[in-house]
Amino acid sequence: QSALTQPPSASGSPGQSVTISCTGTSSDVGGYDYVSWYQQEPGKAPKLIIFEVIKRPSGVPDRFSGSKFGNTASLTVSGLQAEDEADYYCSSYGGSENFVIFGGGTKLTVL
Amino acid sequence: QLQESGSRLVKPPQTLSLTCAVYGGSISGGTYSWSWIRQPPGKGLEWIGDIYDSGTTYYNPSLKSRVSISVDTSKNQFSVKVTSVTAADTALYYCARGATTLDSWGQGILVTVSS
Repeated sequence: QSALTQPPSASGSPGQSVTISCTGTSSDVGGYDYVSWYQQEPGKAPKLIIFEVIKRPSGVPDRFSGSKFGNTASLTVSGLQAEDEADYYCSSYGGSENFVIFGGGTKLTVL
Repeated sequence: QLQESGSRLVKPPQTLSLTCAVYGGSISGGTYSWSWIRQPPGKGLEWIGDIYDSGTTYYNPSLKSRVSISVDTSKNQFSVKVTSVTAADTALYYCARGATTLDSWGQGILVTVSS
């Protein structure tokens, strides 16, 4: 079971937009619309911010958006704010054999 | 809300045992599954497995031979056991609701494997 591939780091200035990618295969990201994104602040549990590729739980700002093309899913954070600085993880359904797979995580820095 | 509890220090090659109590809602009903996830210090997340109130379980293939998850609907809680632990099992262990969509998480419990 291989982890999904995320860039280890990303950065942007306040007000800018940043996109984090999550690359898998046709057996996981590309095969199902069950990609989720989680935000983890230091010392805290992860928090769901995107599910089923594009959906946002209530209370999550619309500055966070998700998308998918082929085997790669993406999280875009628009209008970056200092409070967005955190680690971000993607996950995907991996089929009946692998079930749930996480990406390695991306540390987002707001410059 | 979810709350993890259990042994925080485990000697190798003993068994790690944790329980997750669910508050504010019933673990029964079949709408959700209930997952365990772990995070080694300074590293990423790893899904361990999940269980439905019916007792149906799904496990990460890489851990399947050493992991078992059970549910006690009368106590509104579910548990995980990891056998033959090594230092590589040292991690922050989280319980959460769901599997492909983990929408509610416990605060986590740090389990250290050391002799």
